[in-house]
Amino acid sequence: EPEVTQTPSHQVTQMGQEVILRCVPISNHLYFYWYRQILGQKVEFLVSFYNNEISEKSEIFDDQFSVERPDGSNFTLKIRSTKLEDSAMYFCASRTGSSYEQYFGPGTRLTVT
Amino acid sequence: KQEVTQIPAALSVPEGENLVLNCSFTDSAIYNLQWFRQDPGKGLTSLLLIQSSQREQTSGRLNASLDKSSGRSTLYIAASQPGDSATYLCASLSYNTDKLIFGTGTRLQVFP
Repeated sequence: EPEVTQTPSHQVTQMGQEVILRCVPISNHLYFYWYRQILGQKVEFLVSFYNNEISEKSEIFDDQFSVERPDGSNFTLKIRSTKLEDSAMYFCASRTGSSYEQYFGPGTRLTVT
Repeated sequence: KQEVTQIPAALSVPEGENLVLNCSFTDSAIYNLQWFRQDPGKGLTSLLLIQSSQREQTSGRLNASLDKSSGRSTLYIAASQPGDSATYLCASLSYNTDKLIFGTGTRLQVFP
């Protein structure tokens, strides 16, 4: 069964460094998302992406964040200058154009020191 | 602003019990509600999606119901097994948006 994949599974970075989290959505999916979950808290929406542009973003998704679909298979989240409070599990999700059911990847645990 | 809450926060039951997990939402204008399972340190596995026009959705031992008027959804797990131990999350999708709003989850432990 097709799955959303994410790399790396765990990333440790120093405050102020740039990180890129990578996702490969399910191949026939058209809508892509990033969510994050700070330890012990709710899963929070960051951004949705469709037709090569951001369709919706949350207040969390400020100028330090960007998303890109550099080719036909990858979907990336970049954090330009990481802060301690960016430490969280980051989930990528995707869905088809005909169903609103979102499928999530296994997550990337980002630790900012 | 949509708020989603789940009770109880944690539940421990012996194997074989039927159990009900609750999800409440404040905005009744939801388009659908999705239930997920999350194992410790892992991703979210979609269990069921129930459309606003539906009252129930079933998959195996799982049954989800939706009552928009009362702002509630329930996930019923029949004949629970130790392998059902996980955190169960509900998430709502409202009209005119494409973002899921998640509840805090119910941490379920089924002991043999």
